Amino acid sequence: DVKVTQSSRYLVKRTGEKVFLECVQDMDHENMFWYRQDPGLGLRLIYFSYDVKMKEKGDIPEGYSVSREKKERFSLILESASTNQTSMYLCASSNPRGPDTEAFFGQGTRLTVV
Amino acid sequence: GDSVTQMEGPVTLSEEAFLTINCTYTATGYPSLFWYVQYPGEGLQLLLKATKADDKGSNKGFEATYRKETTSFHLEKGSVQVSDSAVYFCAPGSSASKIIFGSGTRLSIRP
Repeated sequence: DVKVTQSSRYLVKRTGEKVFLECVQDMDHENMFWYRQDPGLGLRLIYFSYDVKMKEKGDIPEGYSVSREKKERFSLILESASTNQTSMYLCASSNPRGPDTEAFFGQGTRLTVV
Repeated sequence: GDSVTQMEGPVTLSEEAFLTINCTYTATGYPSLFWYVQYPGEGLQLLLKATKADDKGSNKGFEATYRKETTSFHLEKGSVQVSDSAVYFCAPGSSASKIIFGSGTRLSIRP
């Protein structure tokens, strides 16, 4: 089974802290994604990586950065956490070359910034 | 750019009712199409997929047909169960290997 593992299910951080969300996948997938999920807004793409050290901004990159030093690991960084970044964060990975190109998701990290 | 429009929820049905959740998309080329499901407290998991026009994806009694002419991928189930209560996301793959998600449709099934 493909496994995408996020380091924490629940996280509480203070405003202004630097926050790291970690994601690891074990299927040698080239693509990795970070989404945030908010009620009524669905899933919004924050950043996307298609190879080691490569990244591309998604729809809402402001206030976030990412790091992909190894193929299996994709980190999301909140440089200075703010209350409007309280959300559910979902990591996913996929293999862009067929036949199975669907994304596999981690269980999510619910982040609360106080 | 690529986008997807999904039927808004919430949708509440009685057990054994027929379900349709509409989904239309715009995309470059002919992407694979996916439906994902999110059960309470969990991440998303793939429900079904179709990789080319006229393909029908099916799983757990759910079906969706890739309609190139109408750029649609509507989700259907003939008889829903309480255990189907979840949030459903339509998602076309894009030419850039990204997957675009709809806003999600929350489905609640009454016993």
